[in-house]
Amino acid sequence: DTAVSQTPKYLVTQMGNDKSIKCEQNLGHDTMYWYKQDSKKFLKIMFSYNNKELIINETVPNRFSPKSPDKAHLNLHINSLELGDSAVYFCASSATLDRNYGYTFGSGTRLTVV
Amino acid sequence: GEDVEQSLFLSVREGDSSVINCTYTDSSSTYLYWYKQEPGAGLQLLTYIFSNMDMKQDQRLTVLLNKKDKHLSLRIADTQTGDSAIYFCAETVYQGGKLIFGQGTELSVKP
Repeated sequence: DTAVSQTPKYLVTQMGNDKSIKCEQNLGHDTMYWYKQDSKKFLKIMFSYNNKELIINETVPNRFSPKSPDKAHLNLHINSLELGDSAVYFCASSATLDRNYGYTFGSGTRLTVV
Repeated sequence: GEDVEQSLFLSVREGDSSVINCTYTDSSSTYLYWYKQEPGAGLQLLTYIFSNMDMKQDQRLTVLLNKKDKHLSLRIADTQTGDSAIYFCAETVYQGGKLIFGQGTELSVKP
């Protein structure tokens, strides 16, 4: 299936731990994103990579570090997790030269920090 | 500045039309999108419109864009209970740029 897939779907962890979320797309897109959706459903961009190069880095604590080993993968590593990091994290991708398909989102990773 | 606003809730009866409204502030927005999010799921692209268009129709969906007033609307004809979800309006200045989302409108369809 062509899609944006992220793992894990659910992540429950204790404060202070370090965790990673992985994202892969097989759509041939050249740009990938991480979005955070808070408890009020508000969606805000965190990072964007184009062809493995960081192009958007919003005001995000430096405990969050994205890594893009190739243009089909964008992982998110979070150090020293805090309660306020609990949210749903969405990966997305798009093709900068393709004006017809918009942005494709993964199904999300629900992170709960306890 | 970048800001997208939507009303938070809309309730309609099955079979009625639903109209979800959105306003945005960035006059350089070029692409505007409507996404649907069902409970526990990701965001599904419903439709999009370019800023040089006034209207786009796709089956039961009609998108209207008033660029002068920076107002976007999504009309769902013959709303069904399966349309119950949160609908997000989003804008971007260029394809590949960041999407700025509204707060989402929760549509509740009553039988």
